[in-house]
Amino acid sequence: DTGVSQDPRHKITKRGQNVTFRCDPISEHNRLYWYRQTLGQGPEFLTYFQNEAQLEKSRLLSDRFSAERPKGSFSTLEIQRTEQGDSAMYLCASRPGFRSTDTQYFGPGTRLTVL
Amino acid sequence: GESVGLHLPTLSVQEGDNSIINCAYSNSASDYFIWYKQESGKGPQFIIDIRSNMDKRQGQRVTVLLNKTVKHLSLQIAATQPGDSAVYFCAEKGNFNKFYFGSGTKLNVKP
Repeated sequence: DTGVSQDPRHKITKRGQNVTFRCDPISEHNRLYWYRQTLGQGPEFLTYFQNEAQLEKSRLLSDRFSAERPKGSFSTLEIQRTEQGDSAMYLCASRPGFRSTDTQYFGPGTRLTVL
Repeated sequence: GESVGLHLPTLSVQEGDNSIINCAYSNSASDYFIWYKQESGKGPQFIIDIRSNMDKRQGQRVTVLLNKTVKHLSLQIAATQPGDSAVYFCAEKGNFNKFYFGSGTKLNVKP
């Protein structure tokens, strides 16, 4: 257990529905990342927060995706009007915020299946 | 953007042998690299990291080697055990604190 938690662990939804995932980082970490991972591939960067500020967003993050970190602690990732292509593992990771070479620690992920 | 690739998608080794997993990266400005182990259905687990000002770093049964000249990274696992069976990823920290991952190498340890 890295100290990064994600909820839910599994989500099955029908196409067109909205889903929201939550990530709780390690408490003293002020950097938080979201990744998407499909079968047989490495994690793909989606977005990155430093405290409550969203500093980077991937082109993978379409208009249907939105992420927030309102108080600089937990974060949510929402997918609107889900599509079958959204089926993947969604991973959250956190890092301390002070050094360029701080390690990144992952949570267990949320497995999304869109029917 | 940056790309990180792995030379071998699958590696099979005998229990007790040493394993070497390789990784190539493309951004010569990357200053930090991490190796992760991922078991089925779980998130990536940190194994070892290395800064770009180092050539080698050792942990418990694992060693990471960095060759900046050819932009190559390797993970060596000594005395491989069945519990080491997993997919291994290298990750490169690129611009703006973004990490880039390769597609992974699956390590199979035969008893």
